[in-house]
This record gives sequence, C-alpha cells and structure tokens, in this order.
Amino acid sequence: DARVTQTPRHKVTEMGQEVTMRCQPILGHNTVFWYRQTMMQGLELLAYFRNRAPLDDSGMPKDRFSAEMPDATLATLKIQPSEPRDSAVYFCASGLPRTERGSYEQYFGPGTRLTVT
Amino acid sequence: DAKTTQPNSMESNEEEPVHLPCNHSTISGTDYIHWYRQLPSQGPEYVIHGLTSNVNNRMASLAIAEDRKSSTLILHRATLRDAAVYYCILQETSGSRLTFGEGTQLTVNP
Repeated sequence: DARVTQTPRHKVTEMGQEVTMRCQPILGHNTVFWYRQTMMQGLELLAYFRNRAPLDDSGMPKDRFSAEMPDATLATLKIQPSEPRDSAVYFCASGLPRTERGSYEQYFGPGTRLTVT
Repeated sequence: DAKTTQPNSMESNEEEPVHLPCNHSTISGTDYIHWYRQLPSQGPEYVIHGLTSNVNNRMASLAIAEDRKSSTLILHRATLRDAAVYYCILQETSGSRLTFGEGTQLTVNP
C-alpha cells in the first residue's frame, strides 16, 4: 500500500532554531502539497509543487519559511528562525496525475507535530 | 474559491446509514465536489469526488443535487471507525488546490 511518509513525526524545538521537515511523496505522483493545521486556523495550504517546480507558495510566510523539492522523491519544508506561533501539525500530501475524470485526489502523510517553545 | 456550508456536528448509531449534507450554492459549472475525512491524530483521507452524476466507491456514495448546489455523502453502514471530521470541498478544474473549511464532526455511537 503506497503511502506518503513524513519525518520527523514529532519535533520540539526552541524559538530561533531551524526546523526541517521532510516528505516522501507516493512514487509517480507529480504534485506535492504542504499544509499546516492548527486549532485556530484549521487546515491551510502553504505551498505546492508540480513536477518539482513551485506553483503556489502564497500561503507561506516568506520571511521564515521555505519549501523545496531537491528531487522527485523528497520535499522539504524549512522554518528559520522558528517561533512559538509556528507550533502546528504540518502535513504533506501528494497528488495523482490528472485522472480521466479530470480531477485531482490528494493523499496525505501522517504529519509532523511541531512544538516551538 | 467557492464556499461550502456543512453542519458543525452530527451523530449516528453504529450499523446505521449516515447522510452528511453540504451546501455549495455558488458552485461553478466546472467545480468538482470532493469529500475528505480526518480521523483523530491522522492526516486527511480522500473519500470520494464527483462532478454531476452520483458516485459510488467502496467507502461511500456521493449524491449530487440536479442543480449541483448541494450534495450528500452517504455512509451506508456507519462503524466506530467512521468517527471523523468530514470535509466537503470544491475543487476548480483548472487547478489542484483544496481549500478546507471546518467540516462536520461525525460521532458514531455504539
């Protein structure tokens, strides 16, 4: 059963430290998404890539967040420097190529729970 | 993004059918209707999607109103494992982004 994997699953860090979260999309999926979930804001799209190129990162605070896809099997989300308000669960999802029915389905990883103290 | 409206919460009994409603009166002709669910401490999970016709898969059925301004996700026999937040989302044909709302918290009673 193909799955999206994310590491680490949990991260506790101090304010000001750099945080790197990693995601391995499902093999063959050409679209990768980063979401953040908090109690207050719910699930928010931060950025997404297609064929490793960034398509939209308008949901991401540009001054401290960066997202990359060094290769087709790895996506990274970095926060530098981290702040307590970044505490959230960060989900990666990957998407099937456009289906015959013309729509995308997204498959989510288990998430990285980040706590910044 | 076109908006959806769902009840905040619903309850069901185990082994009974569940009908989860969603209103999307501003849907455009090319928007797909997607349903995802999120079990406790897990990432969202794709359930089903459709455009105009009703759809069935192994997890659920999707009934779409003729005018497409509302839809209903049907779980034919609820189990305890179906307790989750269910999100109804409109997806533009031209892109693949999903905008999650608050969803419906489904409680399944034994």
